[in-house]
Amino acid sequence: RKEVEQDPGPFNVPEGATVAFNCTYSNSASQSFFWYRQDCRKEPKLLMSVYSSGNEDGRFTAQLNRASQYISLLIRDSKLSDSATYLCVVEYGNKLVFGAGTILRVKS
Amino acid sequence: NAGVTQTPKFQVLKTGQSMTLQCAQDMNHNSMYWYRQDPGMGLRLIYYSASEGTTDKGEVPNGYNVSRLNKREFSLRLESAAPSQTSVYFCASGDRGQFGYTFGSGTRLTVV
Repeated sequence: RKEVEQDPGPFNVPEGATVAFNCTYSNSASQSFFWYRQDCRKEPKLLMSVYSSGNEDGRFTAQLNRASQYISLLIRDSKLSDSATYLCVVEYGNKLVFGAGTILRVKS
Repeated sequence: NAGVTQTPKFQVLKTGQSMTLQCAQDMNHNSMYWYRQDPGMGLRLIYYSASEGTTDKGEVPNGYNVSRLNKREFSLRLESAAPSQTSVYFCASGDRGQFGYTFGSGTRLTVV
């Protein structure tokens, strides 16, 4: 079983749609959680950290359920510029473990 | 503010050649990392250094060595390159907690 699992997609959505990504992790000792965004052939960039209480940054909302070892990302009012691969990332010890990523394609 | 700087950006090697990928960060982070990314496989950790003077193996360390030269610099060496090492290599730095990690722009390595 992979340590961090994501639906690879692709998710093809029209502009303005709401889309949700899910992620599960296997190590209950995981300490910190993140969503990263990666554009084609570029480096991953931090989108947002994920807290147990849930957190929101503009159109983006992240949730963490430690009991179920589940992380989610909700994107509202999708823009063309949101097209990218979204990486679920879990930290334990001194290591970051990445999911394989979920591809989002937003179309006009 | 440069963040994390990797060199070179592109490299083509012949099988059996050696090379060193360089990484430097100017954010005073304690931890530094080397990842490789292959199509459809996500990022896999090669080696990491939790602090100056320490290094540890990650998920895919075979065929690689690392040196944490000082707090700023963390290099990755391929002693005898193989076609299976064709990949995109990313260096990252950060500290534990909610602030995430910063990545360099990557090195695209092809071994022929």
